[in-house]
Amino acid sequence: DAMVIQNPRYQVTQFGKPVTLSCSQTLNHNVMYWYQQKSSQAPKLLFHYYDKDFNNEADTPDNFQSRRPNTSFCFLDIRSPGLGDAAMYLCATDGGRMLPQHFGDGTRLSIL
Amino acid sequence: AQSVTQPDIHITVSEGASLELRCNYSYGATPYLFWYVQSPGQGLQLLLKYFSGDTLVQGIKGFEAEFKRSQSSFNLRKPSVHWSDAAEYFCAVGSNAGGTSYGKLTFGQGTILTVHP
Repeated sequence: DAMVIQNPRYQVTQFGKPVTLSCSQTLNHNVMYWYQQKSSQAPKLLFHYYDKDFNNEADTPDNFQSRRPNTSFCFLDIRSPGLGDAAMYLCATDGGRMLPQHFGDGTRLSIL
Repeated sequence: AQSVTQPDIHITVSEGASLELRCNYSYGATPYLFWYVQSPGQGLQLLLKYFSGDTLVQGIKGFEAEFKRSQSSFNLRKPSVHWSDAAEYFCAVGSNAGGTSYGKLTFGQGTILTVHP
């Protein structure tokens, strides 16, 4: 059974048009992460939530925002997507004590 | 700051041959180390992890990895590769985020494994 679910799997948007990616989890984990993975590159952490506490990585562009309305859901908002934002976006959860992070299958974002 | 190096971008092996994927890390304290596998268009699946104790760890799908502190390495091995092992493999080091109980992962650049029949 899928434990970290990302929707949609594929998303196409237009240059500059806001887009939202969603992630839900059935693990009841405190921590949720968003990673950006460009083609042939390693995943790069954008930000994470510990419960409702938001933690932004220093080099995450202001264009990227996130919301976590409850334990189960977390959203990634890209306010004005540019061509350079085309990537796979991965959501992950962590139950603490350095338990391994559980990843969803990702959303592949294309920008027209 | 922590970092991970996977020296081999692409490795090709024949089915049934043995495999070793290299990983070197840089971290100031005892590291938490992970290997993940990613099939095309999919998320990351954990193969195995090292936190402490026995330096040879067993994972899923017949993989194992050995932590060598003196070499700052955590190489992944499999004695006999199957065609279904073709994928991209990422080594990662985890650290406590600001002394909290959860962690932040830093990934290596990945190694693409191709398996010939």
